[in-house]
Amino acid sequence: EIVLTQSPATLSLSPGERATLSCRASQSVRSYLAWYQQKPGQAPRLLIYDASNRATGIPARFSGSGSGTDFTLTISSLEPEDFAVYYCQQRSNWPFTFGGGTKVEIK
Amino acid sequence: QVQLQESGPGLVKASETLSLTCTVSGGSISSYYWNWIRQPAGKGLEWIGRIYSSGSTNYNPSLKSRVTMSVDTSKNQFSLNLNSVTAADTAVYYCARGQGWADYWGQGTLVTVSS
Repeated sequence: EIVLTQSPATLSLSPGERATLSCRASQSVRSYLAWYQQKPGQAPRLLIYDASNRATGIPARFSGSGSGTDFTLTISSLEPEDFAVYYCQQRSNWPFTFGGGTKVEIK
Repeated sequence: QVQLQESGPGLVKASETLSLTCTVSGGSISSYYWNWIRQPAGKGLEWIGRIYSSGSTNYNPSLKSRVTMSVDTSKNQFSLNLNSVTAADTAVYYCARGQGWADYWGQGTLVTVSS
């Protein structure tokens, strides 16, 4: 099973700041990595798939990069609604797995 | 707009079977993969398994001996059965659409296993 490690666990930032979230895989997942946003009491929402493709309706301030074992989700300028937990997920090998999450909180 | 809705008992006794159904509206269940994903309170996400509209399945090896999924295309529904449940199976259970990514999700349903 591929293990995804996300860092940091918590990111404390102010609105308007840039957020950089990391996801590292225990083995190569090629470009088969997605990012999700989850707010309290809600289901996760797909943001990015195949490492760098924005899902339908996702604002341009969200971008993804990386391949192999190291990936990054960048939020260029945090909006108030962006404070949430973010998960990465791989679909390279079954079972599909998620990282442990990064919480982006208001500083 | 595709919508998914989970239904089933919110309380299951230990050692019994957890049964959930996901109803898909706003689109056909055919030609897609359908998934069950769960999340214990305050914890991360676990992919339980997926089923194609034809009925072929993939189960997480960690749960494979206890999981069965099925699909009813006539009702636009798919289902999850998890047997011999324990307190460790207490979680919010989500149904979702997607072959590798989950692009549409249900709102989730909390299932509590009681001893």
